Amino acid sequence: GAGVSQTPSNKVTEKGKYVELRCDPISGHTALYWYRQSLGQGPEFLIYFQGTGAADDSGLPNDRFFAVRPEGSVSTLKIQRTERGDSAVYLCASSQQGNQADTQYFGPGTRLTVL
Amino acid sequence: AQKVTQAQTEISVVEKEDVTLDCVYETRDTTYYLFWYKQPPSGELVFLIRRNSFDEQNEISGRYSWNFQKSTSSFNFTITASQVVDSAVYFCALSEYNTDKLIFGTGTRLQVFP
Repeated sequence: GAGVSQTPSNKVTEKGKYVELRCDPISGHTALYWYRQSLGQGPEFLIYFQGTGAADDSGLPNDRFFAVRPEGSVSTLKIQRTERGDSAVYLCASSQQGNQADTQYFGPGTRLTVL
Repeated sequence: AQKVTQAQTEISVVEKEDVTLDCVYETRDTTYYLFWYKQPPSGELVFLIRRNSFDEQNEISGRYSWNFQKSTSSFNFTITASQVVDSAVYFCALSEYNTDKLIFGTGTRLQVFP
């Protein structure tokens, strides 16, 4: 079956603009995660959805970052008033049930560049 | 606090050499899970293995093997007879009992030369 997909693959924007990044998880997976990976670093957790609700948003760096998953499938990560420091690869992952034993399967990521 | 350390930033080997990637973790939980992921140049993280804290048996999958030692909080990964296609960044990650997020190390870049 299809894996996790993310669009766009690349996004270039100017400082201060608003961006939306989309994630389509593996069909049937109830849990969805967003991570951010800066150059030379490992992915860092941002937010986790179980169904439609955000079960853990402790990794969101500030209130410019927001994510939704209105129907429990596709999720959108929204960044307001982008800053140069937001430049990174944003990774989405999904897992079947969302407990710590589950394997998270990752998408190809969206590379965000803020000029 | 939970932490994963991959002290080797970069390793270079010649094809057919064996190579071991180190991973040391910190956690206060007695129940946790450890993972290895591969990130090839294409960028997508590929799942390799998951191991729970109660299973210290070593695992072998083809040319890959993993050595889990709770006494030293290590979960090392060995590639036998490395190949050029093994060139990638490898990440070790930890998931604790009451959390759902993965804590990643900083990764080890493996370059295998022909």
